[in-house]
Formats: sequence, C-alpha cells, structure tokens
Amino acid sequence: DTGVSQDPRHKITKRGQNVTFRCDPISEHNRLYWYRQTLGQGPEFLTYFQNEAQLEKSRLLSDRFSAERPKGSFSTLEIQRTEQGDSAMYLCASSETGGVQFFGPGTRLTVL
Amino acid sequence: DAKTTQPTSMDCAEGRAANLPCNHSTISGNEYVYWYRQIHSQGPQYIIHGLKNNETNEMASLIITEDRKSSTLILPHATLRDTAVYYCIVRSPGTYKYIFGTGTRLKVLA
Repeated sequence: DTGVSQDPRHKITKRGQNVTFRCDPISEHNRLYWYRQTLGQGPEFLTYFQNEAQLEKSRLLSDRFSAERPKGSFSTLEIQRTEQGDSAMYLCASSETGGVQFFGPGTRLTVL
Repeated sequence: DAKTTQPTSMDCAEGRAANLPCNHSTISGNEYVYWYRQIHSQGPQYIIHGLKNNETNEMASLIITEDRKSSTLILPHATLRDTAVYYCIVRSPGTYKYIFGTGTRLKVLA
C-alpha cells in the first residue's frame, strides 16, 4: 500500500501525559499537513511542512503542540501535558507541489 | 480566513443523482475548490477539484458558477456506499491553510 500511513491508529492516555504521533506520507510528496478533527466537525488545519521546513502553524497549535519533519519524509506531532480537550482525531495528509492532498486514516486520541 | 457554507444534511434515493451545493463567496481568483468525503472514522477521501470550468471524473461532476462563489458536486447515480459527509474546501488566500467547514451529511436511501 503506497498511501499515507499513521501510527498509532488509536491512543488512550491520561491527562498530563505526553503523546507522539507519526505520519508517513506518500513517497516523494514534498508537502505534509496535520489536521485535528473533533466529533461532528470538519478537520481543522494545524500545520504545514514543505520538505523539512514548517511554513505555517495555526493558532490552534498551542505551546504544548510541536511538529517536526526532520528529513523531509515522515513527520511527528507531539502533544505535551495532554488535556481532555485534546481528545480528537489527528489527520495527516500529503501532496506534491500543486497536487491534491491525500489523507491518512488518522490517529484517534482519547485523554482520560 | 476563507469560508465555506454547506447544508448540514441531505437525503437522496438510491440510483438518483445527488446534488450537493457549497457557497465559497470568499474564494480568491486563483484558488481551486476541492471536494472530499469522509466515511465514519476514516480519513477524508479526495473526489474532485476545479478552478473555473466544470469538471468530471469517474466519481463525480463539479459545476462551478461563473462568478466562482458557489459550486455543486453531482454524484450521478448515488449508491448506498455514497453515504458519507461531503466537504468542499478552499484555501485561505496567501496561506497554506485549507478550510473544511462542517460539511454535508448525505444519506442515500434504499
């Protein structure tokens, strides 16, 4: 399967713990996006990478959130000191320059 | 930010055409309109996109008004498997931020 993959698919954590999610984009896609989706809402943009450079971050991305794409391939999204309000589906998408975004299956986070 | 407005929900009889409207009056002149759908608990699936002209592919047709302020996604012969939430998406001008909105929940009825 050459689509976007995300790991883990589900994560349950206790409030205050740190969590890290991984996204593997489609090979040779230089653009990578992270979104957050809460129940009943559409995905909300979090951040954008072009190769290894993080070119845009949403105001939704508080100081507790950090994302990296160190070699311009896979990306990680870390949430520190998780809160119950962080419970959501975290989606990753990739694209070529000027191309459409292809989404992964998402990581569902539950903070207890 | 750019904004999209869609009906919250729609029903369609199986085998009939489903016409899903979207208002994107804030779109800028060189931005595309994208349509995705999302089946419960899965990632959004790309359907079609367009700039000015009408577009058709194996999944759907896209009709964009001349002023580009609205568009309609057409599923010509809806099946039960087309039951999903449909999103029209635009990019906020001058940014890499794509705006999804709340989408239309399409239910195809047998």
